Formats: sequence, C-alpha cells, structure tokens
Amino acid sequence: NAGVTQTPKFQVLKTGQSMTLQCAQDMNHEYMSWYRQDPGMGLRLIHYSVGAGITDQGEVPNGYNVSRSTTEDFPLRLLSAAPSQTSVYFCASGQTGIAFFGQGTRLTVV
Amino acid sequence: GDSVTQMEGPVTLSEEAFLTINCTYTATGYPSLFWYVQYPGEGLQLLLKATKADDKGSNKGFEATYRKETTSFHLEKGSVQVSDSAVYFCALSGVPGSARQLTFGSGTQLTVLP
Repeated sequence: NAGVTQTPKFQVLKTGQSMTLQCAQDMNHEYMSWYRQDPGMGLRLIHYSVGAGITDQGEVPNGYNVSRSTTEDFPLRLLSAAPSQTSVYFCASGQTGIAFFGQGTRLTVV
Repeated sequence: GDSVTQMEGPVTLSEEAFLTINCTYTATGYPSLFWYVQYPGEGLQLLLKATKADDKGSNKGFEATYRKETTSFHLEKGSVQVSDSAVYFCALSGVPGSARQLTFGSGTQLTVLP
C-alpha cells in the first residue's frame, strides 16, 4: 500500500535553479494538493487540483507551477528557486472527508 | 478568510496526565474540522474529524467536539502515553463535508515523559 509517494526526500538547490518535486498516489483520488510547512506557521496551501487537467491556486502560489496530466501524478515546479522557498513540502490526496499526506520533501535553497 | 488559532506549545506532560490542546477557528458557513498528528520525520496523519456542530470525533483515546457557539474544537485525552509525543495540528476545510483546501493552525508540540 504505497499511498502518497513524494520524491526526493531531501534536496539542496542554489538560488535561481529550477526543480520539480514529484508526487504520486495510487488511491485513484481526484483531489490532490501541495502544502508548505514553515516553523510556527503550520501548513499553507500552494496549489490544488480537483482532477486531471484542472488546477487552481491556494494561499501561497507565487514562485510555483503545477500541472495535472494524469489522476496519479501532481508535480510541483520551482522555476527559479529563492531562499524564501526553503521549507518542507507535503503533497496530499483525498477523497470525501479524508486527506492522505506524503512523507514530505525537505528543500533548502542556498 | 478562514483561520485557525491553536494553543502555543511546546507542551510537556507526564505519562497518564490529562491533555487539552485548545483550537478555535474563524470561518464562514459550516466548515469541517480536523485534528492531524505528525510524528518525527513523517507526514501528517488524520487523528479525528467532525463535520457538523455538536459532532464528537474520537480515535485512539483522543476526543474533540465541534462547538459552533464557541467556534472551538479542543483536543482532549484522559491519559497520555509516551507514544503520543508528536506535533498536533488543528485544521478546517471550508468545503462542506470534505478535506479539501485545508487551513491549518500553527501546530502544538507535545512531549510525554515516562
């Protein structure tokens, strides 16, 4: 039972570099989302998707892009990393009333 | 917009002590309310939830009651164990009956000493 799988678990980037955080789920959930977790601030919603081909912005979308070409995958792209994007990133998928979270990606931008 | 205010931590208790973590919220309409738990190095796991006023969510000895009159969803456990040490997050969804577009509190670190 894989659930929600995120890769990589850890990543260090230099300012200005780009990268993609991967998220895959095997539960056939229509809804997927990305959050970032910063100390003392809980989790904040970056982007979400209610199905393949449909995405929308959350509370803190600036600097991040997403796409949803399949039900299973929901990658998060950083086009030009900034130190302010140093954080732990969580992907979640959900069905009615329950959200399932991945184990997170710890990203450091230097 | 929606917001969740959670009791500041860290909280340190002895094993078998009573636990309360306060959570209040601001939202329009009838949000669904959740408590999530995060163990070290892991993602968040749903602990319990409630979807309408006066509902009581419960799991693993933890309980929380959806109080619309006080806009609260306080987490309680009668006797904590060392294994309950974790970070606890209160959250709401403004999409009725769902866990979509969650708004989280800042989290409360709980440490239980033997």
